[in-house]
Amino acid sequence: DTGVSQDPRHKITKRGQNVTFRCDPISEHNRLYWYRQTLGQGPEFLTYFQNEAQLEKSRLLSDRFSAERPKGSFSTLEIQRTEQGDSAMYLCASSFLSGPGTDTQYFGPGTRLTVL
Amino acid sequence: AQKVTQAQTEISVVEKEDVTLDCVYETRDTTYYLFWYKQPPSGELVFLIRRNSFDEQNEISGRYSWNFQKSTSSFNFTITASQVVDSAVYFCALSEAEVGGAGSYQLTFGKGTKLSVIP
Repeated sequence: DTGVSQDPRHKITKRGQNVTFRCDPISEHNRLYWYRQTLGQGPEFLTYFQNEAQLEKSRLLSDRFSAERPKGSFSTLEIQRTEQGDSAMYLCASSFLSGPGTDTQYFGPGTRLTVL
Repeated sequence: AQKVTQAQTEISVVEKEDVTLDCVYETRDTTYYLFWYKQPPSGELVFLIRRNSFDEQNEISGRYSWNFQKSTSSFNFTITASQVVDSAVYFCALSEAEVGGAGSYQLTFGKGTKLSVIP
């Protein structure tokens, strides 16, 4: 079983540009999550999907952020008009929900975004 | 609102010493899930353990053990005979049960404890 993969691993962009990240979950995992981690902090939840449906969005997810999971497999996270405060590690996780209390999240290596 | 507190920001131990990482959580739910993850310098979060609120049995896995105490809302993690490879940031996380669902959805993480094991 391959793990969660994310692309790119690093992204440097200028303020005001749009960026898009991709996450490929573990095969057959029906849930996919996005988190953001800044230096010295734990990851913070952004949003999650069950199959292609986006079930929850954090208040941290401003209107400049949008996430999709069009076919219930890979997901993309887009940030429009990036700001320096968006600089962080963006983590993706996936899980398989087969019954109550079974969906443990497994994380990818993350995409480190630097906004200049 | 749920909250996880890891009061120890950084810990240094000499190799082969035992070390305990503390985790205190807050939740109003009666059903919840607790986790520990390891984040080595490479950056990828590695799942270590999951504990459901209705299962208070402690667990041992090799050199790792976990002590779950609902009475004190704590879920502490002990590494016995620490090794240099244990050097990492360790995160405790909490998830409440979904309303109307079966899963545990979003994780709330503590700020992490950076463990340095000195040879």
